[in-house]
Amino acid sequence: GAGVSQSPSNKVTEKGKDVELRCDPISGHTALYWYRQRLGQGLEFLIYFQGNSAPDKSGLPSDRFSAERTGESVSTLTIQRTQQEDSAVYLCASSRGGSEIYEQYFGPGTRLTVT
Amino acid sequence: AQSVTQLDSQVPVFEEAPVELRCNYSSSVSVYLFWYVQYPNQGLQLLLKYLSGSTLVKGINGFEAEFNKSQTSFHLRKPSVHISDTAEYFCAVSDSLLFYNQGGKLIFGQGTELSVKP
Repeated sequence: GAGVSQSPSNKVTEKGKDVELRCDPISGHTALYWYRQRLGQGLEFLIYFQGNSAPDKSGLPSDRFSAERTGESVSTLTIQRTQQEDSAVYLCASSRGGSEIYEQYFGPGTRLTVT
Repeated sequence: AQSVTQLDSQVPVFEEAPVELRCNYSSSVSVYLFWYVQYPNQGLQLLLKYLSGSTLVKGINGFEAEFNKSQTSFHLRKPSVHISDTAEYFCAVSDSLLFYNQGGKLIFGQGTELSVKP
């Protein structure tokens, strides 16, 4: 079946503008994660959604970052008033719940460049 | 807080040679450990995982890793690499005691770029 998809694949924006990144998880996956990968660094956890539970937002770096998820489907990550340090690849992953929650399937990412 | 250290940022190796990519984690509490691979222009794929049981874990494409609790390490090995193994490899850890309550949040290392030369 289809994997995790993300759009856009690339986004160039000016400093101060808002951007919205989209993630379509694998159908039936109840858990969804957003990570950020800065150049030359590992993945940094941002936020986690599981079913109807309150999301784990502990990784969001500032209040300019927010994310929503509609049920167990699409998620959007919004960055307001973008800064140059927000430039990174933003990765989305999804997994089944329960005992399979550890096996995360990653999308190809959105490369965000803030000029 | 948990942290993961991948000791080598780049590992060049010739085809058919053995390779070891090193990974150490910070916490001594129960952990789940993972290796992910990212091929050029592709998303991350799970290579192998350690949850419990045997400390030697086998994954896809002939890779294996050994969990060493006393040394807090989870090094990745392959006895003979191929050109197609050229990729970036990420080690990741999660606190197993929190895993199911707080979701599968993973802490990643900075990655090791494996470059296999003919």
